[in-house]
Amino acid sequence: QKEVEQNSGPLSVPEGAIASLNCTYSDRGSQSFFWYRQYSGKSPELIMFIYSNGDKEDGRFTAQLNKASQYVSLLIRDSQPSDSATYLCAVNIAGYQKVTFGTGTKLQVIP
Amino acid sequence: DTAVSQTPKYLVTQMGNDKSIKCEQNLGHDTMYWYKQDSKKFLKIMFSYNNKELIINETVPNRFSPKSPDKAHLNLHINSLELGDSAVYFCASSQVGRHSPLHFGNGTRLTVT
Repeated sequence: QKEVEQNSGPLSVPEGAIASLNCTYSDRGSQSFFWYRQYSGKSPELIMFIYSNGDKEDGRFTAQLNKASQYVSLLIRDSQPSDSATYLCAVNIAGYQKVTFGTGTKLQVIP
Repeated sequence: DTAVSQTPKYLVTQMGNDKSIKCEQNLGHDTMYWYKQDSKKFLKIMFSYNNKELIINETVPNRFSPKSPDKAHLNLHINSLELGDSAVYFCASSQVGRHSPLHFGNGTRLTVT
């Protein structure tokens, strides 16, 4: 079982819609969860991080964490074509300074 | 004002050669990393250094040797390059602490022919 799993996509949504990106993780000791966005040919950039159960909102982005289900998601409201990128879920495994990434979900926002 | 910078941006070389990638961060972070991103875009951790001390070595072939002369610099030397080493190598840094996010450099695209 992979440590961090994501659907590779592509996930296609129309402009203005809500994009929902999902991630599951295997280590119950995981403590911090990050969402990165990576445009083609660029480096990953941090969008949000979350470490408590529930929702965390930042502008059009909402991260949701459910530790009991070992599930973290990212919602993008009012999706824009500029949101088209690969979204990487990352998890900090408890106990040491190691951030493990999922394989990423490619999002396409159709104008 | 670049936060994490790595050089070179592109590296094209032949099998069997030795090459180095350099990384520097000016964020004052204590921890630096090397990640490898393969053709399928999977980012895999290779090494992590905390204040010049190696803390993570993820079963990377010993042809790869990281060096951290100080906590702001982390270099990666690769001996006897193989075709399978072709990838994008990212340097990253973070503060110590489980909630600290990674800050990435712009990556080095290594192509081995």
